[in-house]
Amino acid sequence: SAVISQKPSRDICQRGTSLTIQCQVDSQVTMMFWYRQQPGQSLTLIATANQGSEATYESGFVIDKFPISRPNLTFSTLTVSNMSPEDSSIYLCSVEWGGASGELFFGEGSRLTVL
Amino acid sequence: GNSVTQMEGPVTLSEEAFLTINCTYTATGYPSLFWYVQYPGEGLQLLLKATKADDKGSNKGFEATYRKETTSFHLEKGSVQVSDSAVYFCALRRRTSYGKLTFGQGTILTVHP
Repeated sequence: SAVISQKPSRDICQRGTSLTIQCQVDSQVTMMFWYRQQPGQSLTLIATANQGSEATYESGFVIDKFPISRPNLTFSTLTVSNMSPEDSSIYLCSVEWGGASGELFFGEGSRLTVL
Repeated sequence: GNSVTQMEGPVTLSEEAFLTINCTYTATGYPSLFWYVQYPGEGLQLLLKATKADDKGSNKGFEATYRKETTSFHLEKGSVQVSDSAVYFCALRRRTSYGKLTFGQGTILTVHP
């Protein structure tokens, strides 16, 4: 299994500002994934972060709004840019473990509230 | 496309009651199926999984069987405890979609003493 740490665990932000969320994994992994959980809703994949290449974004998510860095095999950041109240969500980092039938391990999430 | 539909909640039960949370899915091929649980104030944890038809996943007294004929993966527990109060998510993953889980909307379970 993998242990995933995220920072910050929660934050309150002002409209128009940007916030960077950090994700640290205790093992080297090829791909890291960022999910969003909007209030009362399910989880949606934002993007896949590979070390040494640009992140791959899902439909409805763009790099300008959610820039991602992946400087090494154990670390990634997600920035939520120019925030609005609609960005208030829990953002979760995850990694896959166990090959083709593997499971995803999730960090505890970063709860952002935008005023 | 892929989709997961869970029974609507919230679900409220008394301790020791029988629990069923229905989950059906739509997907091409043979996806892997998962149940995740999110306890209050905590992150998402894998509860159980099944990777092929007729597989039964089990953990902590919870069970779910992969039924391809009915495209279902219902979660059951024979006797719930107050500590089972949480949000439960059904999810699927296509074998070629690394890291991409399609989640159901989640079901809130509250167990009273």
